[in-house]
Amino acid sequence: AQSVTQLGSHVSVSEGALVLLRCNYSSSVPPYLFWYVQYPNQGLQLLLKYTTGATLVKGINGFEAEFKKSETSFHLTKPSAHMSDAAEYFCALGAGNMLTFGGGTRLMVKP
Amino acid sequence: DAGITQSPRHKVTETGTPVTLRCHQTENHRYMYWYRQDPGHGLRLIHYSYGVKDTDKGEVSDGYSVSRSKTEDFLLTLESATSSQTSVYFCAIRKQGLADTIYFGEGSWLTVV
Repeated sequence: AQSVTQLGSHVSVSEGALVLLRCNYSSSVPPYLFWYVQYPNQGLQLLLKYTTGATLVKGINGFEAEFKKSETSFHLTKPSAHMSDAAEYFCALGAGNMLTFGGGTRLMVKP
Repeated sequence: DAGITQSPRHKVTETGTPVTLRCHQTENHRYMYWYRQDPGHGLRLIHYSYGVKDTDKGEVSDGYSVSRSKTEDFLLTLESATSSQTSVYFCAIRKQGLADTIYFGEGSWLTVV
């Protein structure tokens, strides 16, 4: 069975501070992992994905994520938060025909 | 832009009425999906299709049916809408490649009163 857990349904950071959104997964097969971002009243936009190979994945808008098999984690980071990063972020696990999502983390950025 | 259009984008309906949401794609992808999004639950898969007339259930399929009579259209039907089906519904397509990636439509907001 596949599952995704996002630690922290709400994360608040100050503008310019490090952003760290946590994602842990459970998978019986080698995983494909994704991060999506959702702005208010919009669909989900792909931020980045891990397939195979390099474990540090760079995405759009300055985000990156590191796949750590030993820790079954795929945390999302950004060195310096911007007000425009305020959104909801979803980690997802791809296996077979389906994508399994975590519950989401709402990122708030304080001026 | 993955060429996905959902309709209607917003709908209010009464309990017990049937509702159909439509997903249209322009890129001829084989796989299409319907998800619902609810606070605290992320997105949960309702049904998916892997070809014309080929569909399968997801984790929250009760109360929903789907049809795919042509590649470009995937319909989601609530046979008799209930208040628990008030949600945001997202259609998605799967682009096949090194790691198949799922792209989402803009969503359909459904309120059942």
